[in-house]
Amino acid sequence: AQSVAQPEDQVNVAEGNPLTVKCTYSVSGNPYLFWYVQYPNRGLQFLLKYITGDNLVKGSYGFEAEFNKSQTSFHLKKPSALVSDSALYFCAVRELNNDMRFGAGTRLTVKP
Amino acid sequence: DTEVTQTPKHLVMGMTNKKSLKCEQHMGHRAMYWYKQKAKKPPELMFVYSYEKLSINESVPSRFSPECPNSSLLNLHLHALQPEDSALYLCASTQGQGSYEQYFGPGTRLTVT
Repeated sequence: AQSVAQPEDQVNVAEGNPLTVKCTYSVSGNPYLFWYVQYPNRGLQFLLKYITGDNLVKGSYGFEAEFNKSQTSFHLKKPSALVSDSALYFCAVRELNNDMRFGAGTRLTVKP
Repeated sequence: DTEVTQTPKHLVMGMTNKKSLKCEQHMGHRAMYWYKQKAKKPPELMFVYSYEKLSINESVPSRFSPECPNSSLLNLHLHALQPEDSALYLCASTQGQGSYEQYFGPGTRLTVT
């Protein structure tokens, strides 16, 4: 089965500093990888996806992610963090039966 | 319009009650999903409807009963729930299979007393 892992439960970063939220994947065939963000008591919001092509994917709110096949990683990045970026972030992979399988989530806290 | 709506926003019900959750999308998506999410955990898939037919049922207890009246609507009927069923219930839809992302509603916060 396809799977993703988010090795960090919590990431803390100061406002204005770059942020990285890590994700590694294990898939058969070509991976369809996604990042979602969830604010408290809200649904998940789609940020970006990798399907094929350029390894650097740009998404919403200034986020980007780098697909690295050799390291089987798909880390989420932002050059300059905002306090409003504080939320729960989920990496996900599309299963062969087309379900979405989510990582455990990483809580990002951006401090002023 | 890229919105998935869910009603009600909050629901408190007793273990003997019958209630329903409603989800609606007008994006022309033909696949719709119900997820259950516990606090600080990832969403867990419950049901998938594809072209208004139930295609996946992840061994969910029969006290949860999904219904897809048409391609824009998805209901989740609840009966004789347990306190451990208290969670955020999320609805999602997608344009198609494979590379398409899912769009999520804001969820219904369910508390079973």
